[in-house]
Amino acid sequence: AQSVTQLGSHVSVSEGALVLLRCNYSSSVPPYLFWYVQYPNQGLQLLLKYTSAATLVKGINGFEAEFKKSETSFHLTKPSAHMSDAAEYFCAVSENTSGTYKYIFGTGTRLKVLA
Amino acid sequence: GAGVSQSPSNKVTEKGKDVELRCDPISGHTALYWYRQSLGQGLEFLIYFQGNSAPDKSGLPSDRFSAERTGGSVSTLTIQRTQQEDSAVYLCASSSNGVGGETQYFGPGTRLLVL
Repeated sequence: AQSVTQLGSHVSVSEGALVLLRCNYSSSVPPYLFWYVQYPNQGLQLLLKYTSAATLVKGINGFEAEFKKSETSFHLTKPSAHMSDAAEYFCAVSENTSGTYKYIFGTGTRLKVLA
Repeated sequence: GAGVSQSPSNKVTEKGKDVELRCDPISGHTALYWYRQSLGQGLEFLIYFQGNSAPDKSGLPSDRFSAERTGGSVSTLTIQRTQQEDSAVYLCASSSNGVGGETQYFGPGTRLLVL
């Protein structure tokens, strides 16, 4: 069964500092992997996704993530945090289960950016 | 074009009452998902509709929860005899065809409070 673990429910960084949000997954087959962002009182918005092409995936707003099969990880990074990056971030995995592509989400990481 | 819309945006009800939550997916999207987001939790999968296939109801927490999708478009999630633990944000998402690696587009959610 697939699962997603996000280490750290809350992460604080200073403005301009590196952002690193961790995601590990378990899947019996090569998965599809996603990062979504949720701003206050809004739905989720796709940041980026891995679909078995390049292992380094670039997304919107300067975010990127690297798929590392050996570590079963898909950590999200951004070189320099901006105040507008404060939000909740969700990692998700999707695989075919009996003909259905079900998405499993992590519990989320709330990012706080300090001035 | 228009995104996924949900109504109402907020719903306050008394314990024991029934509620109906509505989702309008993106036009032409055949796949539709319902999730529940409780405070401090990730997204919990509830139900998945794909075209005219039988829905995947494996995530519904009890028989008080049901959902339908009429004409392959609008979906309604019904919670009967609401309980306080049903208080959460209910998110709807749609995607083009329900195949692997697709982006899900989320609505803003319905915030349900059961008193």
